[in-house]
Amino acid sequence: DSGVTQTPKHLITATGQRVTLRCSPRSGDLSVYWYQQSLDQGLQFLIHYYNGEERAKGNILERFSAQQFPDLHSELNLSSLELGDSALYFCASSPNFGPLETQYFGPGTRLLVL
Amino acid sequence: KNEVEQSPQNLTAQEGEFITINCSYSVGISALHWLQQHPGGGIVSLFMLSSGKKKHGRLIATINIQEKHSSLHITASHPRDSAVYICAVRGRRSGGGADGLTFGKGTHLIIQP
Repeated sequence: DSGVTQTPKHLITATGQRVTLRCSPRSGDLSVYWYQQSLDQGLQFLIHYYNGEERAKGNILERFSAQQFPDLHSELNLSSLELGDSALYFCASSPNFGPLETQYFGPGTRLLVL
Repeated sequence: KNEVEQSPQNLTAQEGEFITINCSYSVGISALHWLQQHPGGGIVSLFMLSSGKKKHGRLIATINIQEKHSSLHITASHPRDSAVYICAVRGRRSGGGADGLTFGKGTHLIIQP
């Protein structure tokens, strides 16, 4: 158990809908990273938040957005969902944003768009 | 061309064999990570390297920064080692810190009893 929690574990929805994925980092960790794992693209970095502020963006679509709240939990919002958005979404946390920090991964949210 | 290349893509071996998984990258990095993903999907961080060599139990990870290459070794392999092993790199960023990870496609390892 990494100490990172994600909810829900599974999510089934329809095209065009909007969903919110939630991540709670390990106690004391200030950084949250979001990653997407799909069959065709593999694992990709989406976005990084540190202490409530966006720090880096990766391959995140404009239909997707994220935020980190004062209690440090983070939410990833996916809107106008398409079939290709079906994937495993992971969050990971680390104490700060240093390059030599281990990232601790949550169990993931499996999203299926029908 | 992917920035992070892993080989082999698939590896089947017998219990007890010495396993080597290779990772090459084409960009300057601040750190390299080896991750393990089990069939259930969960990802566990095995090692984070910026230089040299690290050992944890039967797992050994090495990195050669000049050659932009890393290897993950498993000694006395066991069926419970069956998983996908993923190499990931963290690029450098001006002003300190680093971006998110860039991943290889993974090596699917099966250890047969």
